[in-house]
Amino acid sequence: EVLLTQSPGTLSLSPGERATLSCRASQTISNRYLAWYQKRPGQAPRLLFYDTFNRAAGIPDRFSGSGSGTDFTLTISRLEAEDFALYYCQQYGNSPWTFGQGTKVEIK
Amino acid sequence: QVQLQESGPGLVKPSETLSLTCTVSGGSISGYYWSWIRQPPGKGLEWIGYIYYTGSSNYNPSLKSRVNISVDTSKNEFSLKLSSVTAADTAVYYCAKAMGGWFDPWGQGTLVTVSS
Repeated sequence: EVLLTQSPGTLSLSPGERATLSCRASQTISNRYLAWYQKRPGQAPRLLFYDTFNRAAGIPDRFSGSGSGTDFTLTISRLEAEDFALYYCQQYGNSPWTFGQGTKVEIK
Repeated sequence: QVQLQESGPGLVKPSETLSLTCTVSGGSISGYYWSWIRQPPGKGLEWIGYIYYTGSSNYNPSLKSRVNISVDTSKNEFSLKLSSVTAADTAVYYCAKAMGGWFDPWGQGTLVTVSS
């Protein structure tokens, strides 16, 4: 089973700042089969990216996904109020599909 | 656009079977993969398994012996059964459309508590 480790656990930033979230895999993720999700309280998880860098419909371009091998990054260039939330990565290159434990982006 | 809604009992007794249904609206269940994911309180997300509209399925080995996912194309819904539940199965259960391995969209989730 591929273990995904997200860091940091919590990111305290101010609106307008840049957020960099890391997702590290215990083994190479084939074909860059990695997705990112945003989870706000009381809402369903929302897909941000699939196949590492393909932005889902309706996701603003201040969000970007990158990485390969075992290291992947979600970047939010300028945080807006609605971006303060939980973020999860998920790999689907190997079964069973697995998720990271999440990074919370909170207002500083 | 496709929307998913989970339904089922919010309380299940230990050793019994948890049963949930996901109703798909705004699109056909045919032609796609559908999945169940859960999140125990204070813990991370866990993929439970998926089913293709034809009925073929794949489960997480950690739950495989207790899980069954089925699909009913005539009702545009799919279902989860998890047997011999314990308190460790208490979680928010989500259904989702499984695209190429990623999930989009998700249902709102439903909390299932295992307790006597």
